[in-house]
Amino acid sequence: QVHLVESGGGVVQPGRSLRLSCAISGFTLRSYAMHWVRQAPGKGLEWVATISHDNSIENYADSMKGRLTISRDNSKNTLYLQMNSLRAEDTAVYFCARDPGIPGTIMYYFEYWGQGTPVTVSS
Amino acid sequence: DIQMTQSPSTLSASVGDRVTITCRSSQSINSWLAWYQQKPGKAPKVLISKASILETGVASRFSGSGSGTEFTLTISSLQPDDFATYYCQEYKSNSPTFGQGTKVET
Repeated sequence: QVHLVESGGGVVQPGRSLRLSCAISGFTLRSYAMHWVRQAPGKGLEWVATISHDNSIENYADSMKGRLTISRDNSKNTLYLQMNSLRAEDTAVYFCARDPGIPGTIMYYFEYWGQGTPVTVSS
Repeated sequence: DIQMTQSPSTLSASVGDRVTITCRSSQSINSWLAWYQQKPGKAPKVLISKASILETGVASRFSGSGSGTEFTLTISSLQPDDFATYYCQEYKSNSPTFGQGTKVET
């Protein structure tokens, strides 16, 4: 059974950094592209970042470009999102999600989701 | 970026009603569209991909149609478990975008 569990969220001051983690089980991480999607309080869904199965492709939303790094450790079955220079508008629940595409492809929709980890940027 | 617009933003309905939600894209996305259901405090769940393909385990009362720039999600007979917010999402581009959501309420 596919399972994704995010962690690492919390309250952080503006300008600081945070690294989110997404531990997976029930599938082989190195076979799938992975994504991060966020949702600000009371707002809609916003795609944040994507990494291909072999790490050769990284895509980032313009709203956070230059402040994000998506990465993965297949040996630890874990996806990461490093967020720097955080702003108040980055306050959101951050979800990791699995792409449905076979290795070598990225479909860019979200087949399985974690439960999300909340990030609050506030002084 | 491709812009996605859903209508209505809120929909009042009763159990047993036929419900239709519309999603329009700012440019043609062929059939590269997914629909999600989200309940408060929960992660979204994918219902439909490629505009009309029902995901495994999704109830057959859900259906999707459309191509190009106009799409619809239909719930043929609304059930109590279906009161939620629904999002469309294009995946033609490598910077996918969501509609703003449609809340289905009683």
